[in-house]
Amino acid sequence: NAGVTQTPKFQVLKTGQSMTLQCAQDMNHNSMYWYRQDPGMGLRLIYYSASEGTTDKGEVPNGYNVSRLNKREFSLRLESAAPSQTSVYFCASSAPWEQETQYFGPGTRLLVL
Amino acid sequence: DQQVKQNSPSLSVQEGRISILNCDYTNSMFDYFLWYKKYPAEGPTFLISISSIKDKNEDGRFTVFLNKSAKHLSLHIVPSQPGDSAVYFCAASDRGVGNTGKLIFGQGTTLQVKP
Repeated sequence: NAGVTQTPKFQVLKTGQSMTLQCAQDMNHNSMYWYRQDPGMGLRLIYYSASEGTTDKGEVPNGYNVSRLNKREFSLRLESAAPSQTSVYFCASSAPWEQETQYFGPGTRLLVL
Repeated sequence: DQQVKQNSPSLSVQEGRISILNCDYTNSMFDYFLWYKKYPAEGPTFLISISSIKDKNEDGRFTVFLNKSAKHLSLHIVPSQPGDSAVYFCAASDRGVGNTGKLIFGQGTTLQVKP
């Protein structure tokens, strides 16, 4: 039982490049979330998915797209990376009866040059 | 506008003493509050929560207090242990908007417990 897994662990991009961050959970959770963590800012919600086939914007969605591929997987795509997107990205999931109790992956550290 | 604020970036306490971490919020619609703990190079983990219908919730060494009139909550750790050294995030939710699980996090407080 791996919980929430994220790939890659670390990535360096040049401005304008694109990439997809992958997230998968094996807890049969309905809801999944993408956050970014920046120094002094805490965690901010980028996008979330309440169930397979649905996605909604969070606090800071600009510059990102998401895909809920199936119940297990929720990916985050940066179409044209900018230095302001340098951050640590966390994926999380939760059960429907306890949405706020979220289980987080280990994070992806992204550096955009 | 920061709806959830943790005004102390860091806190240092001696092993065995009490650690008190504070959190303030501005949105009166928040009705569920949580604390998450984060070690370096790991994702946050859920620690304890409290509903707005309560003013205290206890789980072992961890107690969360909620003062709705002051829009303030605090996390007490007694006794503090070196393994408690981590970043603590306060988070809040408005369950009235369909219980989506959307959380607003504070900036975090780094706790150091000295042996």
